Amino acid sequence: EILMTQSPGTLSVSPGERVTLSCRASQSISNKLAWYQQKRGQAPRLILYDISTRATGVPDRFSGSGSETEFTLTLSSLQSGDFAVYYCQQYLIWPITFGQGTRLEIK
Amino acid sequence: EVQLAESGGGLVQPGGSLRLSCGASGFTFSNYWISWVRQSPGKGLEWLANITPEGHEKQYVDSVRGRFTISRDNTNNFMYLQMSSLRAEDTAVYYCAREMPVIGGAFDLWGQGTTVTVSS
Repeated sequence: EILMTQSPGTLSVSPGERVTLSCRASQSISNKLAWYQQKRGQAPRLILYDISTRATGVPDRFSGSGSETEFTLTLSSLQSGDFAVYYCQQYLIWPITFGQGTRLEIK
Repeated sequence: EVQLAESGGGLVQPGGSLRLSCGASGFTFSNYWISWVRQSPGKGLEWLANITPEGHEKQYVDSVRGRFTISRDNTNNFMYLQMSSLRAEDTAVYYCAREMPVIGGAFDLWGQGTTVTVSS
């Protein structure tokens, strides 16, 4: 099983700021990395897949990068609707596994 | 509207059984791999199982293999999760999720979730 580790656990940032979330895989996952946003009481929403491809309707202030085992999600110019929990996920090998999440909160 | 909708959650005693359903609409259900993902209270996401478009192949995470069974009915656009020998640690919100074609296990469509509580 591939272990996904996200850091930090919580980030306190102000609207308008730029923020970077990290995700590390316990072994290489090629480009099979996705990011999800989850707001309280809602289902997760796909943000990025294949490391950096934005899902339908996702604004270009969301960007992803990385390779092999180290990945990042960058949100530029944070808006109020961006404050949520973000999960990374690998889908190279079953079982599909998720990181434990990074909570983005308003400072 | 393209959507998935789970149902069948509820309160069940330890050792009991429950069947969850996931109904699909607005897209060609039989073309897609579908997964079950759960989220325990205050915790992260755990992928449980998936099933091929034809329903012939299934994969499970170790924690539910042998206790949970995934199946689908492409005629009526439903997927199911039969859960047995339930434990307190199975308490969670259960989501069905559609896997992107070609891309694989990235989930581009989720249901709203159904809550399962295992307690005496």
